[in-house]
Amino acid sequence: QKEVEQNSGPLSVPEGAIASLNCTYSDRGSQSFFWYRQYSGKSPELIMFIYSNGDKEDGRFTAQLNKASQYVSLLIRDSQPSDSATYLCAVGAPYNTDKLIFGTGTRLQVFP
Amino acid sequence: DGGITQSPKYLFRKEGQNVTLSCEQNLNHDAMYWYRQDPGQGLRLIYYSQIVNDFQKGDIAEGYSVSREKKESFPLTVTSAQKNPTAFYLCASRGNEKLFFGSGTQLSVL
Repeated sequence: QKEVEQNSGPLSVPEGAIASLNCTYSDRGSQSFFWYRQYSGKSPELIMFIYSNGDKEDGRFTAQLNKASQYVSLLIRDSQPSDSATYLCAVGAPYNTDKLIFGTGTRLQVFP
Repeated sequence: DGGITQSPKYLFRKEGQNVTLSCEQNLNHDAMYWYRQDPGQGLRLIYYSQIVNDFQKGDIAEGYSVSREKKESFPLTVTSAQKNPTAFYLCASRGNEKLFFGSGTQLSVL
């Protein structure tokens, strides 16, 4: 079982819709969770982080964490074509907070 | 501007050659990292350093070497022992538990 799992996609949504991206992780001891956006040929950019159960909102983005079920999700409201990118989920290693474990990413396509 | 600078943007390696990728940061971060990304894949950790003059192997350290002589600098050498070096290499530093990336170096084999 992979430590951090994401559906590779592509996830296709129409402009203006809500895009829902999901990530599951294997180790219950993980305490920190991050979402990065990566455009093709570019480096990842941090867009959200969450440490506590529940929801965290920042503009059009909402991160949701459920530690009991070991999943973290990212919702993008009012999706725009400029949101088309690969979204990487990263989880802090449980006993070494200096390490992040990355999923393989979900490719999102927002069509006009 | 504060940030992480990687150079060169593109690098070509001949067989049997060692090449060094540069990474400099002015964010005053203690921890620095090197990741490798293959097409359609996630990031895999090569080496990381939590403090000057100290570094640890990541998940795929074989064929690579690093040094950390200054807080600002964390160069990565891809040695001839790395038989499949073609990839996108990302340097990062960590502050307030968050990882920030440089713009990356695309390494290819001639």
